[in-house]
Amino acid sequence: AQSVAQPEDQVNVAEGNPLTVKCTYSVSGNPYLFWYVQYPNRGLQFLLKYITGDNLVKGSYGFEAEFNKSQTSFHLKKPSALVSDSALYFCAVSPEGGSQGNLIFGKGTKLSVKP
Amino acid sequence: DSGVTQTPKHLITATGQRVTLRCSPRSGDLSVYWYQQSLDQGLQFLIQYYNGEERAKGNILERFSAQQFPDLHSELNLSSLELGDSALYFCASSAPGGGGELFFGEGSRLTVL
Repeated sequence: AQSVAQPEDQVNVAEGNPLTVKCTYSVSGNPYLFWYVQYPNRGLQFLLKYITGDNLVKGSYGFEAEFNKSQTSFHLKKPSALVSDSALYFCAVSPEGGSQGNLIFGKGTKLSVKP
Repeated sequence: DSGVTQTPKHLITATGQRVTLRCSPRSGDLSVYWYQQSLDQGLQFLIQYYNGEERAKGNILERFSAQQFPDLHSELNLSSLELGDSALYFCASSAPGGGGELFFGEGSRLTVL
């Protein structure tokens, strides 16, 4: 069965420090991988995606993600965290042929950035 | 602003009742998706429509139904409501031939008392 795992319910970092939010996936074929962010009482906002090519993908607000096929991971990173980055982050995967769109989401990781 | 519009934003109703949630996709998007977000289940895919036709079905209960109209707006109908149906319901749309990313509305928060 296709699935996405976000092993950490919450990640705490200090402002200015690097952050990593982890994601692993299990799908058949070559997946499309996505990261979304959700602020309180808001909808999900697209951050970045990996389809093919360079394993390091750059996205919105200074975020990037590294695709690792052998480890089936797609971790979200940012070199220097901001307090305004505090939000709920979702990793998602689409099965091969990825424009089908019915994404499978992880449970979400709450990122808390302290001043 | 994603361009996806959902109404109503909040809805409070009683068990056994029926409600309809409405979604207007981004201009030009043909696909509409419905997701349910709850604390215990996370984000669950319910159903997808493409240009008026059902394209994919997820964990949608038989008490729930949806449709997409010729103007591409979509409605999600929830009937015989139970306490456990209380959740945030999101609509999303995607561009035809796009890269797979979804654009989400702000959601409709349903509270069943």
